Amino acid sequence: GIQVEQSPPDLILQEGANSTLRCNFSDSVNNLQWFHQNPWGQLINLFYIPSGTKQNGRLSATTVATERYSLLYISSSQTTDSGVYFCAAMYNNNDMRFGAGTRLTVKP
Amino acid sequence: KAGVTQTPRYLIKTRGQQVTLSCSPISGHRSVSWYQQTPGQGLQFLFEYFSETQRNKGNFPGRFSGRQFSNSRSEMNVSTLELGDSALYLCASSPYTGSLAKNIQYFGAGTRLSVL
Repeated sequence: GIQVEQSPPDLILQEGANSTLRCNFSDSVNNLQWFHQNPWGQLINLFYIPSGTKQNGRLSATTVATERYSLLYISSSQTTDSGVYFCAAMYNNNDMRFGAGTRLTVKP
Repeated sequence: KAGVTQTPRYLIKTRGQQVTLSCSPISGHRSVSWYQQTPGQGLQFLFEYFSETQRNKGNFPGRFSGRQFSNSRSEMNVSTLELGDSALYLCASSPYTGSLAKNIQYFGAGTRLSVL
């Protein structure tokens, strides 16, 4: 079946460090999004990126659709970046499949 | 523009009861999807509605149902609650213009359901 896999599952960083989160997906996608889940449970949109590269401040993302992976880069991490990051892929049947998430902890 | 609004935010029920959760999408959005999040299973797709019609359904038992109204607001209902239904239920809306490629999902804050 359709698989979305994220790595690493857990990541601990010192404030100021950079990190790369990876998302692999098993089939061609129509839509790929990255989210940050805040401590209250809400999923905050980071990027809509079915292909190509986008940047938003200290965050950037790249999706290589032909190789079925996406990367989320966080530079100069801050304690407020802590939380769980999800990638989610939408296929032809219009439902979104989520990875298991990467739990990021940024220590001061 | 107001975001996706889910009510209530928290809910406590007992086994065997039923529950109804509500979701108001972003103004102008016609597609509403529901997801269940649990520590063991992660985020799982429940169903999606567009123009009052269920277009897609995930792998959940018939106790989970939903509907969408003409103003695009949606409700989901869980009957005969089980302990395993304790979860965060998230609703997402999308502008859906007919192109899956532009079906960007925007999520509400969720309803946290505890079944005792």
